Formats: sequence, structure tokens, C-alpha cells
Amino acid sequence: GQNIDQPTEMTATEGAIVQINCTYQTSGFNGLFWYQQHAGEAPTFLSYNVLDGLEEKGRFSSFLSRSKGYSYLLLKELQMKDSASYLCAAVDSNYQLIWGAGTKLIIKP
Amino acid sequence: ETGVTQTPRHLVMGMTNKKSLKCEQHLGHNAMYWYKQSAKKPLELMFVYNFKEQTENNSVPSRFSPECPNSSHLFLHLHTLQPEDSALYLCASSQGAENSPLHFGNGTRLTVT
Repeated sequence: GQNIDQPTEMTATEGAIVQINCTYQTSGFNGLFWYQQHAGEAPTFLSYNVLDGLEEKGRFSSFLSRSKGYSYLLLKELQMKDSASYLCAAVDSNYQLIWGAGTKLIIKP
Repeated sequence: ETGVTQTPRHLVMGMTNKKSLKCEQHLGHNAMYWYKQSAKKPLELMFVYNFKEQTENNSVPSRFSPECPNSSHLFLHLHTLQPEDSALYLCASSQGAENSPLHFGNGTRLTVT
């Protein structure tokens, strides 16, 4: 079967760095998305990786290792507004999105 | 402003009621989606429309009936729902290419009593 694993909840301190991991097992692979979802709001697109390596966008970076079936989202200089759920979704060989259950990130002062 | 607008934001309905959820996108996208989001569970894809044609129905019970009159509007008609259908229902749109990101609405929080 197809599966995405990510931690249910993480806690970090304002100003620090946090890494949210995502491992995937899919039938084929055509890329991986990260979305951010604040409570009561729409998920919003953060990043898309299809090649191995790190892609940086300001305070947020996303990494992919296709051989390991692994990705992470790295958040630097954490701010209180980064408290949200982070959703990982892999694209399978049929271009279907396989979603993880999301990681709830709590930022403490 | 997400570019995808859903109404109502909250809905409480009894099991014998009939109601409809509405979604409108202002992004010029070709594809529209209905997702169900339950607490601590992955997003569940329900229906996909491409250029107004339904291209996917993920074994959704017939008590959920989608309608897509044009590429900007999407409805989800609800009737005789069950309490386990209580969830957040998210509408999304995309340009339709396989690696196009989804643009989501804020969702309708549905409670079935």
C-alpha cells in the first residue's frame, strides 16, 4: 500500500530551527509537496521537490532524497505565526496525491 | 485572500436534511476538487473535475453529489448524511498539470446531528 509518515506534533522555541520529517512509500514517484495550514484556514502551498537536494525559500527550505523515500521541511528563525500544521503529500505514478496526516507545530516564546 | 471562496463556513444539519456546499475560484484554473479533512487523518480526495468533466470519484457514498456547472464553480450536494460525515470539507483548484500546486478554500466545517 501507499503511505506517508510524519510526526503528529512537534514543539519548538521562537527564534530556533525545526525540521519536520516525512517518509513516503508510493507506487512510483513524481514529486513531493509541502503545505502549511493554520487552524481554521486553508492549506497553502509551501514547496514542491522532484529532484534530490535542498531548495531554499527564505526562512523555509525543503529537502528530498528519492533513494531514501524521505523529505524534510526546515524552518529557521521561528516566529509565533509559524504555529500551524504542515502537510506532506507525495505524487505517485498515476499523479495521485498521497497525503500524510500532518504535523502540528507549536511555537513557544 | 485565497482566490478560492467556500460558503458556508459552518453548517449544522440533521440526518434528514438536504444542503449544498458552494465553491468558487477566481484563479482561472481548469481543475477543481473536493476533499474531506477529519482530525488527525490525511486529506481524503472525494471528487475531481477537469474542464467541468468529472474525472475522479473516489468511491464516495451517493449521499454526496457533486455538480460543476462551469470551470469556476463547484457544488457538493448533501442528503441523508451520517454523523461520521462530520468533518471539514475543502474545495481546491489547480491549473491541472500533474505538478501544479493546489489552491484551497477555507473549507466548510460540517456537523451532522
